[in-house]
Amino acid sequence: EAGVTQFPSHSVIEKGQTVTLRCDPISGHDNLYWYRRVMGKEIKFLLHFVKESKQDESGMPNNRFLAERTGGTYSTLKVQPAELEDSGVYFCASSQARTGYGYTFGSGTRLTVV
Amino acid sequence: AQSVTQLGSHVSVSEGALVLLRCNYSSSVPPYLFWYVQYPNQGLQLLLKYTTGATLVKGINGFEAEFKKSETSFHLTKPSAHMSDAAEYFCAVGGNEKLTFGTGTRLTIIP
Repeated sequence: EAGVTQFPSHSVIEKGQTVTLRCDPISGHDNLYWYRRVMGKEIKFLLHFVKESKQDESGMPNNRFLAERTGGTYSTLKVQPAELEDSGVYFCASSQARTGYGYTFGSGTRLTVV
Repeated sequence: AQSVTQLGSHVSVSEGALVLLRCNYSSSVPPYLFWYVQYPNQGLQLLLKYTTGATLVKGINGFEAEFKKSETSFHLTKPSAHMSDAAEYFCAVGGNEKLTFGTGTRLTIIP
């Protein structure tokens, strides 16, 4: 089966610009998660979708971040406007419902804001 | 609240030597514990996990970890390091469907 796909793999944007990251989960996985790793720090939870609904968005840093999951398939994470501190690696993961953390992670998108 | 502490951001071992990566956790409920590995330019891959039952957990690539409740630890070991083990390793604790990660340990293998 295809894994979790994220693109772009790298993005370099200027402060104040907008960037949209995309995640395609494994087909049939209702649960989709976004995590972020800021350079040198721990990987932190951002939010959790169950199908198209936001189950938990407690980790979203501020209202410059907007996540959507149209039709319960792929998800996008938009950062608008981007700030320097948004630089890091954004990971997406998916899992079937309630499988005890049977996450499959994507390769991540490395975002650099200059 | 849950937290994870990984001791040593960088660990170097000789090829063939024992690998020991340390992880201590804090959790107010019985924890689910995980080790993930990230090879260069790849995603996070699950090495092993502890949910319930046997406290010694075996994972892929010869790694294992032991859950010690009294010490709140979940250290990762491998008897003999291979060059291919060079990667970054993350310990995580699970709660409410989300994971709390440590800061990671980069493992270097010396030929």
